Amino acid sequence: QSVLTQPPSVSGAPGQRVTISCTGSSSNIGAGYDVHWYQQLPGTAPKLLIHGNTNRPSGVPDRFSGSKSGTSASLAITGLQAEDEADYYCQSYDRSLSGSVFGGGTKLTVL
Amino acid sequence: EVQLLESGGGLVQPGGSLRLSCAASGFTSNTYAMSWVRQAPGKGLEWVSGISGSGGSTYYADSGKGRFTISRDIPKNTVHLQMNSLRAEDTAVYFCAKVSMATGPYFDYWGQGTLVTVSS
Repeated sequence: QSVLTQPPSVSGAPGQRVTISCTGSSSNIGAGYDVHWYQQLPGTAPKLLIHGNTNRPSGVPDRFSGSKSGTSASLAITGLQAEDEADYYCQSYDRSLSGSVFGGGTKLTVL
Repeated sequence: EVQLLESGGGLVQPGGSLRLSCAASGFTSNTYAMSWVRQAPGKGLEWVSGISGSGGSTYYADSGKGRFTISRDIPKNTVHLQMNSLRAEDTAVYFCAKVSMATGPYFDYWGQGTLVTVSS
């Protein structure tokens, strides 16, 4: 059972928009800690996709965007491409656990 | 270019020990905190342990407290994770990650991972 809750899977056709939610609590996201997102392609290490709720590292396409409100956050992917098929994880800090916490991961399937 | 290279994984019996290493390059390692994150087969990511840039502060998830020890060799730009009393549930790929800070830490660079298998 992960501290942050994500849907196990989402899917969309090429060109469409999908969103992935990440729900936390008052001890992590709701406490004001930032949410960060990672993309993990099959058989590879995770890659930072969004940091500080909304910021894209250099090289990440602007098709990826993040938002945060209250105890939740979302990752939106527009103009879906086949290469976006991957697992996506949200991450924050939990003050009760005194450590970083991840969501359980969401598998994105491009139909 | 930032590079992180893990080593030290392998097969170990329950109750045994293993020492993982992460060699960092492309940045001044004592400026940044570092962490270990693991991923059990077919499962999600789990933060395991972290260490400050100076090495003076260390942090552990409950799963490793009392069994795992993180350390760093600043001159060699290397971070280690000493794992004792290993259990089957510690079986995972262990990733080394460089930590950056926003309102809370995040992991901006990751190594390729090293597989730890705990089995008799």
